[in-house]
Parts: sequence; C-alpha cells; structure tokens
Amino acid sequence: IAGITQAPTSQILAAGRRMTLRCTQDMRHNAMYWYRQDLGLGLRLIHYSNTAGTTGKGEVPDGYSVSRANTDDFPLTLASAVPSQTSVYFCASSEWMGQGYEQYFGPGTRLTVT
Amino acid sequence: RKEVEQDPGPFNVPEGATVAFNCTYSNSASQSFFWYRQDCRKEPKLLMSVYSSGNEDGRFTAQLNRASQYISLLIRDSKLSDSATYLCVVKDSNYQLIWGAGTKLIIKP
Repeated sequence: IAGITQAPTSQILAAGRRMTLRCTQDMRHNAMYWYRQDLGLGLRLIHYSNTAGTTGKGEVPDGYSVSRANTDDFPLTLASAVPSQTSVYFCASSEWMGQGYEQYFGPGTRLTVT
Repeated sequence: RKEVEQDPGPFNVPEGATVAFNCTYSNSASQSFFWYRQDCRKEPKLLMSVYSSGNEDGRFTAQLNRASQYISLLIRDSKLSDSATYLCVVKDSNYQLIWGAGTKLIIKP
C-alpha cells in the first residue's frame, strides 16, 4: 500500500441499508478526514479525527458516523442510507491538523443510494 | 454568501496562452490558502500553497490579496495537461479546510 486506499470504488445501495466505507492510510498520519463532493459544490467535511481515539464533526455530519480505533483506519458508516447521500466520498489524511499541513486524498468511493 | 467562491468556468484557453483565475473568501481571519488540482473523476491533489508574499512554481504563480480577500492562480505557457478543475482552499481557525467548488480549465490544441 502506498498512500490512502478506499473501498469500495463504487456502490449502489438501497435506501434504508447500512453501509461502511473503508479508508486506510500507510503514511502514519495523525489526522484523517471524510469529505463528500457533489456537483457544483466544494468538498464538504463530514467528520475528522485529529489522532487515533478522537473524532470530531465537520460541516455535514448528520446521517454519518466514524471511528478511529488505530492510526491507519478511519471507516465511515451510513446507518440508514437516504438518496441525498448519493455522492462521491473522499477520505484524506495529513501529518497533523494544524496550519500548513497538506492533505492527501484517497481515490474516492462513488455511492448511489436508490 | 459562500465562504469560498470561484468562477466555475469552463475557461477555454488555447495551448501556450496565459490564464488566470481568482478565488474570493469571506473570513478575514483565514490564515492558510491553497490551490488543489482535480482531474476528472480523480482525487484532489495539492498544486501549491499560497504565501503572503506570493509564490511561483515553474509556470504557476499564486498570489494572495488580504485587503480584498482573494487569491489568484496564474498559469503561463499552458499545456494540454493543465486541463483540470482547480480548487481554491482556505483553512479556517479550527484548521479545517473550506473548499471552493472549483474552476474548470480546458486547454485546446
């Protein structure tokens, strides 16, 4: 592994189903993030984690949950998917969360909720 | 008003030309600024950070105007490979990134 991986690459999901998007990084970065990207809008932060064991809410956290049991993994769970959660989801990481630290992104997961 | 605003474009530019686009931000307390590049259906990648004094990286020049609250990106001698969406990003006081929706650039041969 080099960088950040996400799984699945794409998914079609029935409304009401539970889904976990996986994210793994091998850079030993402390901070990790989940964004969603919708057409015509900038990336919007869903949840973040400053370091293993801590998480925080971003701009659009409703309907999503995260956990950070270790440094490398940061899964995003949709408890009961709704069509408005159709989007492209990007996981990212940075060495720290402070000023000036570059964020590195995974390849994204394209999720369609029907 | 959006916190970070960009002209969505597309900017259609002939190869070899110079192109520039701006990005405005609303929070005067913002301290860190970046340009990211995103190719179609790919993840964003950092193009360059934007420093108060302005900075240059090859054909790319980024500038910050704090008084008017905008940052700019200038691309000289544009290449076909420069075709992409350019995302303006501002880091707020909580260290979270606020993203513009992007400016689409198409370089034509």
